[in-house]
Amino acid sequence: GIQVEQSPPDLILQEGANSTLRCNFSDSVNNLQWFHQNPWGQLINLFYIPSGTKQNGRLSATTVATERYSLLYISSSQTTDSGVYFCAVEKYSGAGSYQLTFGKGTKLSVIP
Amino acid sequence: EAQVTQNPRYLITVTGKKLTVTCSQNMNHEYMSWYRQDPGLGLRQIYYSMNVEVTDKGDVPEGYKVSRKEKRNFPLILESPSPNQTSLYFCASSTRQGWDTQYFGPGTRLTVL
Repeated sequence: GIQVEQSPPDLILQEGANSTLRCNFSDSVNNLQWFHQNPWGQLINLFYIPSGTKQNGRLSATTVATERYSLLYISSSQTTDSGVYFCAVEKYSGAGSYQLTFGKGTKLSVIP
Repeated sequence: EAQVTQNPRYLITVTGKKLTVTCSQNMNHEYMSWYRQDPGLGLRQIYYSMNVEVTDKGDVPEGYKVSRKEKRNFPLILESPSPNQTSLYFCASSTRQGWDTQYFGPGTRLTVL
């Protein structure tokens, strides 16, 4: 199956710093999503981004599908950004079926 | 309010005792799925459903069953739970166009003794 690799696995930031999280995938995909899991376990969709660049406040994401990677940018980080960031890729598997494969995540800790 | 609900949120059970984790969504989504999350392994898809009465295996379906008799509900059934099924389980739903934005339930933490 498709492999999804995220880096770095762990990241500690001082509040106010910027960061870039990376997601590499091993095969062509139909779509890609970024999720944030907060320290209480809740999973929130951040971006649905098959290609190009999207921005939402301090967060933005870029996917270069032809080179099989995506980047998530966090600017002016806040303590509420802490948690685990997951990249997930979607691949069409035939007969109307789509399967979603997650990376293992980047654990971000933002300290005051 | 658009949401995905799961019950129970926490469950401790013993090996072999059948259990069901319910999942319900109020967004009229066609696609629903179940994931398990384990330390160091991220989220892995167990089963998914494209519509009523249409289900398919994900990456780790062994030991699980699902059913989709109604559009809003997608229960996960463990016929004979084992300790290696101790995990955090998430249900998710999305619209018909591929997976689009996934909405996740709050999670069910299951411990099998």
